[in-house]
Amino acid sequence: AQSVSQHNHHVILSEAASLELGCNYSYGGTVNLFWYVQYPGQHLQLLLKYFSEDPLVKGIKGFEAEFIKSKFSFNLRKPSVQWSDTAEYFCAVISGGGADGLTFGKGTHLIIQP
Amino acid sequence: EAQVTQNPRYLITVTGKKLTVTCSQNMNHEYMSWYRQDPGLGLRQIYYSMNVEVTDKGDVPEGYKVSRKEKRNFPLILESPSPNQTSLYFCASSFLGDNREGYTFGSGTRLTVV
Repeated sequence: AQSVSQHNHHVILSEAASLELGCNYSYGGTVNLFWYVQYPGQHLQLLLKYFSEDPLVKGIKGFEAEFIKSKFSFNLRKPSVQWSDTAEYFCAVISGGGADGLTFGKGTHLIIQP
Repeated sequence: EAQVTQNPRYLITVTGKKLTVTCSQNMNHEYMSWYRQDPGLGLRQIYYSMNVEVTDKGDVPEGYKVSRKEKRNFPLILESPSPNQTSLYFCASSFLGDNREGYTFGSGTRLTVV
């Protein structure tokens, strides 16, 4: 079974700081990768996704992620965070045809201090 | 509007009293899935369905049942809820075999079993 590891469970940053959240997955075959965001009290929303195109993926709200196949990584980045980025962030992977569903990491709780 | 609708949003119940959480999608998705979200554990898949009358266990199926009698509906049934099923539940759907849009998630159901 595949697994997803998110290295930082809690991250606290000041506004305008740069952000990088780590994500590693275990599956060695073809994968589709996602980052989801969950704002307080809300459901999951798709931030960005990777589908065998350019390994540098740009998403909404200034987020981007880089797929590095050799490292099994898909780290999320943002050059300058805002207070409104306070949320929980989940990395997720689907392998093959997707019948087994999305496998999620345990999430990173990001707090941005004004 | 394309969406996944869950009901209820909040539910408090007592141990042993059967309950059903409904999930409906209007996107003609073949694939539907239930997840539970717990602090520090991320989202874990309970059950999934690849089409009408086709369901299978996810990672944490114990204590839950599902049915898929119609393509749009995928209810989650707790025959005899216990306090360890207190959690935040999400229903999700997608096209099977085409994961480019990821999953669409419902707004969540916060269940408390006392």
